Amino acid sequence: EAQVTQNPRYLITVTGKKLTVTCSQNMNHEYMSWYRQDPGLGLRQIYYSMNVEVTDKGDVPEGYKVSRKEKRNFPLILESPSPNQTSLYFCASSLGLSNEQFFGPGTRLTVL
Amino acid sequence: QKEVEQNSGPLSVPEGAIASLNCTYSDRGSQSFFWYRQYSGKSPELIMFIYSNGDKEDGRFTAQLNKASQYVSLLIRDSQPSDSATYLCAVQTGANNLFFGTGTRLTVIP
Repeated sequence: EAQVTQNPRYLITVTGKKLTVTCSQNMNHEYMSWYRQDPGLGLRQIYYSMNVEVTDKGDVPEGYKVSRKEKRNFPLILESPSPNQTSLYFCASSLGLSNEQFFGPGTRLTVL
Repeated sequence: QKEVEQNSGPLSVPEGAIASLNCTYSDRGSQSFFWYRQYSGKSPELIMFIYSNGDKEDGRFTAQLNKASQYVSLLIRDSQPSDSATYLCAVQTGANNLFFGTGTRLTVIP
């Protein structure tokens, strides 16, 4: 089944404790991205990757890191999480930006 | 000014009516336009995409694009309770930029 998977689905952590949210797709898509969704602010892009080893900042990259060592995986790293990073996070993949974005199931992160 | 703007709603329509959802965007060079549906607690899923001026129909859904006026709309005919969701407008504004609106919450009343 073609899909985007994310783990964990739910995470409660404390300020400053490094965490990684994994994202994997099995559709051989070149384009992958991370979004955060907050009430009243909609979906905002954090980082995106056009291909392996190619990543770039989206609208709200501060406090986040990503890597793209393999085509299928695009982990999101929070080196020192803060409460303002409490949000719902979605990973997405597509053939390209002009194509349908396939979203993962989401990761609900709470930073205390 | 936000890149993509939508009326947050909520928009309520009776079952069987036409629901009209609107979206405006700021970048005249925008290239691709998408409508995603998001049920509560779920991830967005693509409903329609449109690249050229005019109308594009797919079943009960019609997307309309007017680049001169910088708006894109989604019409849902014969609305069903299962159409109750938040509808997200997304606009590709450059080679690497895809912006989403904040979404319009639609409720179809049986």
